[in-house]
Amino acid sequence: EDQVTQSPEALRLQEGESSSLNCSYTVSGLRGLFWYRQDPGKGPEFLFTLYSAGEEKEKERLKATLTKKESFLHITAPKPEDSATYLCAVRIYNQGGKLIFGQGTELSVKP
Amino acid sequence: GAGVSQTPSNKVTEKGKYVELRCDPISGHTALYWYRQSLGQGPEFLIYFQGTGAADDSGLPNDRFFAVRPEGSVSTLKIQRTERGDSAVYLCASSLEGRSSYNEQFFGPGTRLTVL
Repeated sequence: EDQVTQSPEALRLQEGESSSLNCSYTVSGLRGLFWYRQDPGKGPEFLFTLYSAGEEKEKERLKATLTKKESFLHITAPKPEDSATYLCAVRIYNQGGKLIFGQGTELSVKP
Repeated sequence: GAGVSQTPSNKVTEKGKYVELRCDPISGHTALYWYRQSLGQGPEFLIYFQGTGAADDSGLPNDRFFAVRPEGSVSTLKIQRTERGDSAVYLCASSLEGRSSYNEQFFGPGTRLTVL
């Protein structure tokens, strides 16, 4: 069964304290891995797409990496405004456009 | 340009009633998706439209749920005989198209449905 698992469920950091969020996946054929940010009461906001192992993408303090079994979202010197839930999702070959999401990691950055 | 919009933002209904949730995708996006998100969980796929047709409705939980997209733009998710377990945030997303690998989905703010 195709599955996406994110860890930890919740992460508390001090401002400036770098860390990583993990997204592990077990799927029949990965067509793309997506990272989204979701603020309370809002819809997910697109961050990155990764397509093949070894690929990396960066945006401000965020860097996403991909291996054959997992993806990491590295947060460098986070600020309080980075506080949100980060969602990972996969798209699978022969399953059309649908995304399968993990349960998310709730990040809190304290000043 | 305008993003994905959803109406209403909140809907409170009684058990057994019928509800309709509306989604306006980004202009020019041919693919449209519905997801459902329960508290503390990631979004769960319901149905995907490519143009006017439902390309994949495998996520609809039962026959009380139905969705249409008659002109290939606006979509309506319809829930009959609502149950308390239907309470969730219903998210809509759109993408340029749904078949290629380069398929970023952009989400609306969601409709929070509460069934009393």
